[in-house]
Amino acid sequence: KAGVTQTPRYLIKTRGQQVTLSCSPISGHRSVSWYQQTPGQGLQFLFEYFSETQRNKGNFPGRFSGRQFSNSRSEMNVSTLELGDSALYLCASSASGTDTQYFGPGTRLTVL
Amino acid sequence: AQSVTQLGSHVSVSEGALVLLRCNYSSSVPPYLFWYVQYPNQGLQLLLKYTSAATLVKGINGFEAEFKKSETSFHLTKPSAHMSDAAEYFCAVSSSNSGYSTLTFGKGTMLLVSP
Repeated sequence: KAGVTQTPRYLIKTRGQQVTLSCSPISGHRSVSWYQQTPGQGLQFLFEYFSETQRNKGNFPGRFSGRQFSNSRSEMNVSTLELGDSALYLCASSASGTDTQYFGPGTRLTVL
Repeated sequence: AQSVTQLGSHVSVSEGALVLLRCNYSSSVPPYLFWYVQYPNQGLQLLLKYTSAATLVKGINGFEAEFKKSETSFHLTKPSAHMSDAAEYFCAVSSSNSGYSTLTFGKGTMLLVSP
């Protein structure tokens, strides 16, 4: 079974731009979570989607948003990029009724 | 609120030596606990998980962890380190709420293995 995939793997943007990251979960998994990883703050939860509905959200500004499609694929969007948004963005999927999350390789976002 | 504390941002061992990575958690409900490993420029790989079935949990690559409720600990061990074990290790607790869960991670411990 294929794992979680994320595209693109690397992205360079400038301040003020917006960016969209994509995540395809493991086949059959309906829950998708997003995390931000930075050297200073570590791994922080962004949001979680299940059946196209956001069920939980972390403590991030409204510039960070996401959505999930009917095939469980998910996207996250960051608008008006700031230098501090430079990070590794990780997507994870889990099967219904389980707590185990499986992670993708991440998208490395650099904001210049 | 739940939290995880990993003692030691860096741990150095020699190849063949015992690996011990420490994790303490705080949880108001019976926790689910996880260890993940991250190699450079990669995502997180699940090593093992505790879900209350057994206190000693065996994972991949020879790692195991023991859940000790009295000590609120979930330390990761491996009897004999290998060069390929060099990576960053994260302990995480799952905060289940209304049927869904969120992982809260520790700050991570970088394992360095010398020949």
